[in-house]
Amino acid sequence: DVKVTQSSRYLVKRTGEKVFLECVQDMDHENMFWYRQDPGLGLRLIYFSYDVKMKEKGDIPEGYSVSREKKERFSLILESASTNQTSMYLCASSFGQRNIQYFGAGTRLSVL
Amino acid sequence: KQEVTQIPAALSVPEGENLVLNCSFTDSAIYNLQWFRQDPGKGLTSLLLIQSSQREQTSGRLNASLDKSSGRSTLYIAASQPGDSATYLCAVPDMGRRALTFGSGTRLQVQP
Repeated sequence: DVKVTQSSRYLVKRTGEKVFLECVQDMDHENMFWYRQDPGLGLRLIYFSYDVKMKEKGDIPEGYSVSREKKERFSLILESASTNQTSMYLCASSFGQRNIQYFGAGTRLSVL
Repeated sequence: KQEVTQIPAALSVPEGENLVLNCSFTDSAIYNLQWFRQDPGKGLTSLLLIQSSQREQTSGRLNASLDKSSGRSTLYIAASQPGDSATYLCAVPDMGRRALTFGSGTRLQVQP
């Protein structure tokens, strides 16, 4: 079974802190994604990566950056957390033409 | 830009009923469509993926259909059970980015 692991289920941070959200997949998938999910807005794509050291902006990249130094790990970075970044963050990975996406359990981030 | 709509937003049914969840999309140039399940506070679990060349896909009590020309998909759940209570999301690929565009989901409650 494919496993996508997000390092934290719940995080509470202060405004202005630098926050790292980690995601690891164990199936050698080339594609990895970060989404955020908010009530009434659904899932929105923040960043994605289709290879090591490659990254592309999604629909809402402002205030975020990403890092992919190894194929299995995709990190989402909040350079200076703000209250409007309080959300559920979901990581996913996929491969090949069928592009079936497998999701992690999510990280619920609260910025106070 | 692709838009995905799910109707109804919420549904409550008694145990044992058969039910249909609807998904529509604006751009029919898709190569597959994926249905997911999300339990409260959790990540997404892939239920079914239908390729554009298929009209139906079945898994247990779930049956998903796809009509590309009309931009519609349905998820049929037979003999619903309280354990089916969750939010169901449909998603189609963003052709250029390998990411998914999601509907806002249907929140299903199956009453015992």
